[in-house]
Amino acid sequence: GQNIDQPTEMTATEGAIVQINCTYQTSGFNGLFWYQQHAGEAPTFLSYNVLDGLEEKGRFSSFLSRSKGYSYLLLKELQMKDSASYLCAVVDSNYQLIWGAGTKLIIKP
Amino acid sequence: DTAVSQTPKYLVTQMGNDKSIKCEQNLGHDTMYWYKQDSKKFLKIMFSYNNKELIINETVPNRFSPKSPDKAHLNLHINSLELGDSAVYFCASRKSGGPYNEQFFGPGTRLTVL
Repeated sequence: GQNIDQPTEMTATEGAIVQINCTYQTSGFNGLFWYQQHAGEAPTFLSYNVLDGLEEKGRFSSFLSRSKGYSYLLLKELQMKDSASYLCAVVDSNYQLIWGAGTKLIIKP
Repeated sequence: DTAVSQTPKYLVTQMGNDKSIKCEQNLGHDTMYWYKQDSKKFLKIMFSYNNKELIINETVPNRFSPKSPDKAHLNLHINSLELGDSAVYFCASRKSGGPYNEQFFGPGTRLTVL
């Protein structure tokens, strides 16, 4: 079967750094997305990785290791507005998007 | 200049009723989706339409039926509503042609069945 695992909830302090992990087991791999979803709102696109390595985009970076079936989202200089759920999603061999359950990130002052 | 819009935003109804949720995108995308997000926040794909052809139909009850009058619209009709249908329903669209094309989501419709 297809499976994506993320921690259910994480807590971090304003100004700090947090890493949200995602491991996956899917039938094929055509890339991995990270989305951000604030409470009561729609998910919004953060990043897409298909090659191994780190992609940096401002305060957010996303890392991928295809051999390990592993990705992480790194958030630096945390701000209160970063409190949200972060969803990991993998594109499988049929180009279907398989979603993780999301990680709720709580930022404390 | 809304990219993906849904109506209504909130829908409260009684068990057994039939209701529809509308979705429109003005991005020129050719693939549209319906998702259900329950109280545990898990996004479950329900349907996908590509150029008016149904290409994904997950194991959802046949009380749910998608209708696409054109490639800019994908409406969701639900018959005989049940308590378990209470959830947030998101419409999304993307441009086909590559797995790297992200999905754009509508604001969601919060359905409450009493």
